[in-house]
This record gives sequence, C-alpha cells and structure tokens, in this order.
Amino acid sequence: GQNIDQPTEMTATEGAIVQINCTYQTSGFNGLFWYQQHAGEAPTFLSYNVLDGLEEKGRFSSFLSRSKGYSYLLLKELQMKDSASYLCAVGPGNAGNMLTFGGGTRLMVKP
Amino acid sequence: DSGVTQTPKHLITATGQRVTLRCSPRSGDLSVYWYQQSLDQGLQFLIQYYNGEERAKGNILERFSAQQFPDLHSELNLSSLELGDSALYFCASSVAASGYHEQYFGPGTRLTVT
Repeated sequence: GQNIDQPTEMTATEGAIVQINCTYQTSGFNGLFWYQQHAGEAPTFLSYNVLDGLEEKGRFSSFLSRSKGYSYLLLKELQMKDSASYLCAVGPGNAGNMLTFGGGTRLMVKP
Repeated sequence: DSGVTQTPKHLITATGQRVTLRCSPRSGDLSVYWYQQSLDQGLQFLIQYYNGEERAKGNILERFSAQQFPDLHSELNLSSLELGDSALYFCASSVAASGYHEQYFGPGTRLTVT
C-alpha cells in the first residue's frame, strides 16, 4: 500500500520562501509528483522527480530522496496567488499509471 | 485550460438515484483516470482506462462503474447514491498507460447528494 504524509496547513509571507515537506512509504514507486490546486479547481502539474536530487523550475523547486522516502517543494518569492493547496503524489503504481495523493498542504500567503 | 472537458459542472440529486458523469480527454491522450475528492478523504484514485480497456482499479465502490468508448471519451456511473458520495469527481488524461506521463485534470463535476 501507499502512505503519504504532508502538513495540513502552512502560512508564509509574501516575498518569502516556503518549504512543503512530504514523506511517503510505498510498495511500488516510479516517481513523485507535486500538484497545485486552488479551491474548487482542478489540480495542475508543478513538478516530477524520479531520481534523487533537486529539480528547479522558475520559482518552484522540488527535491527527492528515495532512500529516505522524502520530498519537498520549495516556493521562492511568494506571491499572493500562490495561496493554494499543494498535493504530493506518488506514481505510477505497479499497474497502470494512477497517482496516490497525500492529503495536501493548504498554504496561505499573507501580505 | 488543460484540454480535458467534463460535464456536467454541477449535479444535485437525491439518495438512491443514479447519475452519469462524462469526460473527454485531451486530443491524443489514450488514458483516462477518474478521481474522487471529498473533504475528509482527499483526492483518491478510482479507475483508469486505456484505449477502451480497464487498466487499473483503485478504491472504487461496487455501486460505481465506468467505461471508455471508441472515441475515447469516458463515463463514470454512480448508482444507489448515498450522502457520502457527495464529492468533486475529477477526470484526468495522459498519453500512455504506464510510466511517467503527466496527467492533465479536467475542471471536475461537483456532485451533491441530498
């Protein structure tokens, strides 16, 4: 089975940096995904890590350590529009390509 | 806009009823996934179809069923509805059946069971 943990809520200040952690225990693993979801809207893809290390994409970076079952999403130069839920997901599974999501971290960016 | 379409956007129905949710994948995508998102359960995988065939099954109730048609659109059928089935239902699509391929999510159907 899959078990994915991430903090429920975080608060940060506009212009600052925030790190959202995710730990996972899985029976099968072929990559870790981060999605952003604004309330009531569809999740949108942010990043994907399959190898250990840091992947940088503009203001967003994602890190993976497979040996530790650990990932984080780093958001720099926070903007008010970054207020959203950030979902950590593991996939694909042993069959198909389904994603197993964590509960999500709701980030509130304050002025 | 992800290119994935879902209808209807909202659906309100009574317990015991049956509803059908529809999804059209992005052009060129052969895989369709259904996910359920409720307040207490988060985003949960239900089922995946690839080119008309069931590919993977998650925590999908026996009262729920799905299919993918030759034109690749998919329908999720929910029957004998219960209050606990109230949730956002998302469809996603990707190019292939397995391996790393980004999934694109549709806008979702909000189901309210009263």
